Amino acid sequence: GNSVTQMEGPVTLSEEAFLTINCTYTATGYPSLFWYVQYPGEGLQLLLKATKADDKGSNKGFEATYRKETTSFHLEKGSVQVSDSAVYFCALFTGANSKLTFGKGITLSVRP
Amino acid sequence: EAEVAQSPRYKITEKSQAVAFWCDPISGHATLYWYRQILGQGPELLVQFQDESVVDDSQLPKDRFSAERLKGVDSTLKIQPAELGDSAMYLCASTHGGARDEQFFGPGTRLTVL
Repeated sequence: GNSVTQMEGPVTLSEEAFLTINCTYTATGYPSLFWYVQYPGEGLQLLLKATKADDKGSNKGFEATYRKETTSFHLEKGSVQVSDSAVYFCALFTGANSKLTFGKGITLSVRP
Repeated sequence: EAEVAQSPRYKITEKSQAVAFWCDPISGHATLYWYRQILGQGPELLVQFQDESVVDDSQLPKDRFSAERLKGVDSTLKIQPAELGDSAMYLCASTHGGARDEQFFGPGTRLTVL
């Protein structure tokens, strides 16, 4: 079946540090890949997505590239801010079962 | 900006009691989802509606959980009787078109069963 594996957390960084959050997946067919973000007390929001191999999704300074050869979709940001503190979820969607499959999520804390 | 509404935001109940959660999706969104998010885990789909019809409820514990979307707009998720293991965040999401579209999530209902 489909699955998403995220690196273990939590992650604590200083402001302006470089961020990488690893995500790998197992899926049948050709999935679409997503990063969702959940700020404290709020629901999930779509951060970025990529629908085919080698596509790069980007938003708010975050980027992730769909790597089919390594089945990965790592999230990166060059300079994090305190306001980026949140929980980040990697997810995939395939037409085979028509549902989103989420990873466990990772908590990012950015200190001033 | 249109949002998915959920109520209540927090619910504390004792085991064996009945609880109900309400969701109002973004206007015009035909597809509605209920997810359960256990602390430290990602959301897991419980049930998916297309208009008023259930598309997928394979992960819904039907002995105690029920969901309805009678007029194809708002939806109610019920648990009866609640068990300790039901403590979790219950999220509602909606999409305008098909399942491939971006899902818009509500703020969730945090349930604590004592």
